[in-house]
Amino acid sequence: GEDVEQSLFLSVREGDSSVINCTYTDSSSTYLYWYKQEPGAGLQLLTYIFSNMDMKQDQRLTVLLNKKDKHLSLRIADTQTGDSAIYFCADLYSSASKIIFGSGTRLSIRP
Amino acid sequence: DTGVSQDPRHKITKRGQNVTFRCDPISEHNRLYWYRQTLGQGPEFLTYFQNEAQLEKSRLLSDRFSAERPKGSFSTLEIQRTEQGDSAMYLCASSKLFSGTSGAYEQYFGPGTRLTVT
Repeated sequence: GEDVEQSLFLSVREGDSSVINCTYTDSSSTYLYWYKQEPGAGLQLLTYIFSNMDMKQDQRLTVLLNKKDKHLSLRIADTQTGDSAIYFCADLYSSASKIIFGSGTRLSIRP
Repeated sequence: DTGVSQDPRHKITKRGQNVTFRCDPISEHNRLYWYRQTLGQGPEFLTYFQNEAQLEKSRLLSDRFSAERPKGSFSTLEIQRTEQGDSAMYLCASSKLFSGTSGAYEQYFGPGTRLTVT
């Protein structure tokens, strides 16, 4: 069955890099996503990576995909207080076009 | 482009009552999805439409739930005889399916409707 797992919490110091990790089980994944959710707000699509890619960089965000190990990570460089949020890893379950989400990683920033 | 909008943003209802939520997708997006999110969890897929056709329903969608997208634009999600376990955030998303692709890969979410059943 489809499943996405990620750690629940991450605390980093302002200015440091944050790395949020995720594992998934779907061997036929085509797209993998990172969504951001701030308190009281909807889900914001941050970035996504196609399964034939190993890495994608977008400004402060770097996504790494290890398809063999079914491991996805999101690195946020120079983490700022505005990056405090819950980050969801997600997998496009292509046979149904639905997205399978992890439980989210709460990122907190300390001064 | 205006984003996905949902109405109402909050709904408090008594157990046993019926509720209906509305979602307006991004214009020209032919796919529309409903998800449910409970506290501390990620969103869970409920159902999706391509134009007016409902193509899949999750087993989470009991007989008390019904969704429609009559003209292929906005969609409604109705919950009949609400139960306390229905309390959650109901999220709508939309995407544009390009011809030749197996699925629409960028889903944009609305702000959600928070339902509280007392």
